Amino acid sequence: QVQLVESGGGVVQPGGSLRLSCAASGFTFSSYGIHWVRQAPGKGLEWVALIRFDGSNKYFADSVKGRFTISRDNSKNTLYLQMNSLRAEDTAVYYCAKENGWEGDIGYGINVWGQGTTVTVSS
Amino acid sequence: QSALTQPASVSGSPGQSITISCTGTSSDVGSYNLVSWYQQHPGKAPKLMIYEVNKRPSEVSNRFSGSKSGNTASLTISGLQAEDEADYYCCSYAGSTNLVFGGGTKLTVL
Repeated sequence: QVQLVESGGGVVQPGGSLRLSCAASGFTFSSYGIHWVRQAPGKGLEWVALIRFDGSNKYFADSVKGRFTISRDNSKNTLYLQMNSLRAEDTAVYYCAKENGWEGDIGYGINVWGQGTTVTVSS
Repeated sequence: QSALTQPASVSGSPGQSITISCTGTSSDVGSYNLVSWYQQHPGKAPKLMIYEVNKRPSEVSNRFSGSKSGNTASLTISGLQAEDEADYYCCSYAGSTNLVFGGGTKLTVL
Protein backbone atom coordinates (compact mmCIF):
# COMPACT_ATOMS: atom_id res chain seq x y z
CA GLN A 1 0.00 0.00 0.00
CA VAL A 2 1.45 3.31 -1.12
CA GLN A 3 1.57 5.58 1.89
CA LEU A 4 3.06 8.75 3.33
CA VAL A 5 2.85 9.41 7.06
CA GLU A 6 3.82 12.78 8.49
CA SER A 7 4.81 13.48 12.07
CA GLY A 8 6.39 16.22 14.14
CA GLY A 9 3.70 18.87 14.11
CA GLY A 10 2.78 20.82 17.22
CA VAL A 11 2.53 24.21 18.85
CA VAL A 12 5.58 26.48 18.73
CA GLN A 13 6.21 30.09 19.65
CA PRO A 14 6.98 32.71 17.00
CA GLY A 15 10.66 32.57 16.14
CA GLY A 16 10.88 28.95 17.15
CA SER A 17 11.81 25.84 15.19
CA LEU A 18 10.18 22.53 14.34
CA ARG A 19 11.18 19.52 12.26
CA LEU A 20 8.59 17.54 10.37
CA SER A 21 9.18 14.00 9.19
CA CYS A 22 7.46 11.97 6.48
CA ALA A 23 7.79 8.18 6.32
CA ALA A 24 7.15 6.61 2.94
CA SER A 25 6.17 3.05 2.11
CA GLY A 26 4.79 1.00 -0.76
CA PHE A 27 6.80 2.58 -3.58
CA THR A 28 10.41 3.16 -4.63
CA PHE A 29 11.01 6.28 -2.55
CA SER A 30 14.40 6.99 -4.11
CA SER A 31 12.86 7.35 -7.58
CA TYR A 32 10.53 10.27 -6.94
CA GLY A 33 10.64 13.90 -6.01
CA ILE A 34 8.70 14.76 -2.87
CA HIS A 35 6.87 17.99 -2.11
CA TRP A 36 5.67 19.71 1.04
CA VAL A 37 2.33 21.47 0.56
CA ARG A 38 0.55 23.38 3.32
CA GLN A 39 -2.96 24.59 3.98
CA ALA A 40 -3.68 27.36 6.46
CA PRO A 41 -6.95 27.07 8.40
CA GLY A 42 -9.86 27.70 6.05
CA LYS A 43 -7.51 28.55 3.18
CA GLY A 44 -6.28 26.96 -0.02
CA LEU A 45 -3.29 24.83 -0.83
CA GLU A 46 0.17 26.40 -0.99
CA TRP A 47 3.22 24.68 -2.43
CA VAL A 48 6.11 24.97 0.05
CA ALA A 49 9.12 22.96 -1.10
CA LEU A 50 10.41 20.16 -3.30
CA ILE A 51 13.39 17.86 -3.09
CA ARG A 52 14.47 15.88 -6.13
CA PHE A 53 14.51 12.09 -6.09
CA ASP A 54 18.21 11.90 -5.27
CA GLY A 55 18.34 14.93 -2.99
CA SER A 56 20.55 16.77 -5.46
CA ASN A 57 18.39 19.85 -5.71
CA LYS A 58 15.92 21.58 -3.43
CA TYR A 59 13.43 24.31 -4.20
CA PHE A 60 11.36 26.58 -1.99
CA ALA A 61 8.46 28.98 -2.20
CA ASP A 62 9.47 32.59 -1.66
CA SER A 63 7.41 32.67 1.53
CA VAL A 64 9.71 30.16 3.26
CA LYS A 65 13.02 30.61 1.45
CA GLY A 66 15.89 31.07 3.87
CA ARG A 67 13.85 29.76 6.82
CA PHE A 68 12.93 26.22 5.80
CA THR A 69 15.20 23.44 4.63
CA ILE A 70 14.24 20.10 3.11
CA SER A 71 16.19 16.86 3.17
CA ARG A 72 15.70 13.15 2.62
CA ASP A 73 17.28 9.89 3.67
CA ASN A 74 16.61 7.40 0.90
CA SER A 75 18.06 4.57 3.02
CA LYS A 76 15.28 5.18 5.54
CA ASN A 77 12.55 6.18 3.06
CA THR A 78 12.09 9.37 5.05
CA LEU A 79 11.69 13.04 4.18
CA TYR A 80 12.28 15.97 6.50
CA LEU A 81 11.28 19.62 6.67
CA GLN A 82 13.26 21.79 9.07
CA MET A 83 11.34 24.96 9.84
CA ASN A 84 13.15 27.84 11.54
CA SER A 85 12.16 31.40 12.44
CA LEU A 86 8.53 30.38 12.43
CA ARG A 87 5.84 33.02 12.02
CA ALA A 88 2.13 33.06 12.75
CA GLU A 89 1.45 32.84 9.02
CA ASP A 90 3.21 29.47 8.92
CA THR A 91 0.31 28.00 10.89
CA ALA A 92 -1.14 25.27 8.68
CA VAL A 93 -1.61 21.60 8.00
CA TYR A 94 1.54 20.39 6.28
CA TYR A 95 1.23 17.62 3.73
CA CYS A 96 4.02 15.45 2.45
CA ALA A 97 3.19 14.62 -1.16
CA LYS A 98 4.71 12.40 -3.85
CA GLU A 99 5.44 13.74 -7.32
CA ASN A 100 3.82 11.65 -10.06
CA GLY A 101 6.70 12.26 -12.44
CA TRP A 102 9.52 9.75 -12.57
CA GLU A 103 12.91 10.75 -11.15
CA GLY A 104 13.72 14.26 -12.39
CA ASP A 105 10.30 15.01 -13.86
CA ILE A 106 8.38 17.63 -11.88
CA GLY A 107 4.89 19.01 -12.37
CA TYR A 108 3.21 15.80 -13.50
CA GLY A 109 0.75 15.86 -10.65
CA ILE A 110 0.90 14.88 -7.00
CA ASN A 111 -0.55 11.39 -6.80
CA VAL A 112 0.05 10.42 -3.18
CA TRP A 113 -0.65 12.64 -0.16
CA GLY A 114 -0.06 12.06 3.52
CA GLN A 115 -2.77 12.71 6.07
CA GLY A 116 -1.09 15.96 7.12
CA THR A 117 0.44 17.21 10.35
CA THR A 118 -0.68 20.43 12.03
CA VAL A 119 1.74 23.21 12.88
CA THR A 120 0.51 26.05 15.06
CA VAL A 121 2.70 29.09 15.63
CA SER A 122 1.39 31.05 18.57
CA SER A 123 2.57 32.68 21.77
CA GLN B 1 4.61 33.59 -7.83
CA SER B 2 0.91 34.61 -7.75
CA ALA B 3 -1.79 32.04 -7.22
CA LEU B 4 -3.84 30.89 -10.18
CA THR B 5 -7.35 32.38 -10.36
CA GLN B 6 -10.38 30.16 -9.81
CA PRO B 7 -14.00 31.08 -9.12
CA ALA B 8 -14.75 30.91 -5.42
CA SER B 9 -17.79 28.73 -5.95
CA VAL B 10 -19.81 26.88 -8.55
CA SER B 11 -22.97 24.85 -8.24
CA GLY B 12 -25.04 22.42 -10.22
CA SER B 13 -27.85 19.93 -9.90
CA PRO B 14 -27.38 16.17 -9.96
CA GLY B 15 -26.90 14.95 -13.50
CA GLN B 16 -25.80 18.32 -14.84
CA SER B 17 -22.32 19.30 -16.01
CA ILE B 18 -20.20 22.06 -14.54
CA THR B 19 -16.90 23.61 -15.53
CA ILE B 20 -14.32 25.20 -13.24
CA SER B 21 -11.85 27.60 -14.79
CA CYS B 22 -8.27 28.21 -13.72
CA THR B 23 -6.53 31.28 -15.11
CA GLY B 24 -2.80 31.76 -14.94
CA THR B 25 -0.22 33.56 -17.02
CA SER B 26 2.15 32.91 -19.88
CA SER B 27 4.73 31.93 -17.23
CA ASP B 28 2.78 29.00 -15.87
CA VAL B 29 -0.45 27.62 -17.39
CA GLY B 30 0.28 29.14 -20.79
CA SER B 31 3.82 27.76 -21.02
CA TYR B 32 3.45 24.18 -19.86
CA ASN B 33 1.02 21.32 -20.38
CA LEU B 34 1.53 20.50 -16.72
CA VAL B 35 -1.78 21.45 -15.13
CA SER B 36 -3.29 19.17 -12.51
CA TRP B 37 -6.55 19.22 -10.58
CA TYR B 38 -7.29 18.05 -7.03
CA GLN B 39 -10.48 17.26 -5.17
CA GLN B 40 -10.57 17.82 -1.42
CA HIS B 41 -13.37 16.82 0.90
CA PRO B 42 -13.58 18.52 4.32
CA GLY B 43 -10.91 17.30 6.71
CA LYS B 44 -9.32 15.07 4.08
CA ALA B 45 -6.14 15.19 2.04
CA PRO B 46 -6.40 16.30 -1.59
CA LYS B 47 -6.86 13.68 -4.31
CA LEU B 48 -5.38 13.88 -7.80
CA MET B 49 -8.16 13.99 -10.41
CA ILE B 50 -6.42 15.22 -13.57
CA TYR B 51 -2.75 15.61 -14.54
CA GLU B 52 -0.91 16.88 -17.61
CA VAL B 53 -4.00 18.97 -18.48
CA ASN B 54 -6.26 16.10 -19.52
CA LYS B 55 -4.95 12.77 -18.23
CA ARG B 56 -6.96 10.89 -15.67
CA PRO B 57 -5.62 8.43 -13.07
CA SER B 58 -7.14 5.00 -13.56
CA GLU B 59 -9.14 5.21 -10.34
CA VAL B 60 -10.84 8.49 -11.26
CA SER B 61 -14.26 8.44 -12.92
CA ASN B 62 -14.41 9.37 -16.62
CA ARG B 63 -16.99 11.98 -15.63
CA PHE B 64 -13.98 14.19 -14.87
CA SER B 65 -12.12 15.79 -17.77
CA GLY B 66 -9.61 18.57 -18.26
CA SER B 67 -8.63 20.98 -21.01
CA LYS B 68 -6.56 24.08 -21.63
CA SER B 69 -6.66 27.07 -23.92
CA GLY B 70 -3.97 29.70 -23.70
CA ASN B 71 -3.50 30.76 -20.09
CA THR B 72 -6.72 29.15 -18.87
CA ALA B 73 -7.27 25.54 -17.86
CA SER B 74 -10.64 23.98 -17.15
CA LEU B 75 -12.05 21.05 -15.23
CA THR B 76 -15.39 19.68 -16.35
CA ILE B 77 -17.49 17.31 -14.29
CA SER B 78 -20.36 15.68 -16.11
CA GLY B 79 -23.29 13.80 -14.61
CA LEU B 80 -22.89 15.56 -11.27
CA GLN B 81 -23.30 13.36 -8.23
CA ALA B 82 -23.73 14.25 -4.57
CA GLU B 83 -20.27 12.88 -3.72
CA ASP B 84 -18.68 15.37 -6.13
CA GLU B 85 -19.43 18.14 -3.64
CA ALA B 86 -15.97 19.24 -2.49
CA ASP B 87 -13.29 21.86 -2.96
CA TYR B 88 -11.33 21.72 -6.21
CA TYR B 89 -7.84 23.11 -6.78
CA CYS B 90 -5.87 23.55 -9.96
CA CYS B 91 -2.10 23.52 -9.99
CA SER B 92 0.46 24.38 -12.64
CA TYR B 93 4.16 23.93 -13.08
CA ALA B 94 5.62 27.44 -13.11
CA GLY B 95 9.19 26.88 -14.20
CA SER B 96 12.31 26.71 -12.05
CA THR B 97 10.83 23.59 -10.50
CA ASN B 98 8.10 25.56 -8.75
CA LEU B 99 4.41 24.75 -8.53
CA VAL B 100 1.57 27.22 -8.11
CA PHE B 101 -1.94 26.39 -6.91
CA GLY B 102 -5.23 28.09 -7.56
CA GLY B 103 -7.22 29.59 -4.72
CA GLY B 104 -9.75 26.77 -4.83
CA THR B 105 -13.38 26.43 -5.89
CA LYS B 106 -16.17 25.14 -3.69
CA LEU B 107 -18.53 22.93 -5.67
CA THR B 108 -22.06 22.64 -4.32
CA VAL B 109 -24.38 19.95 -5.65
CA LEU B 110 -27.88 21.35 -5.26
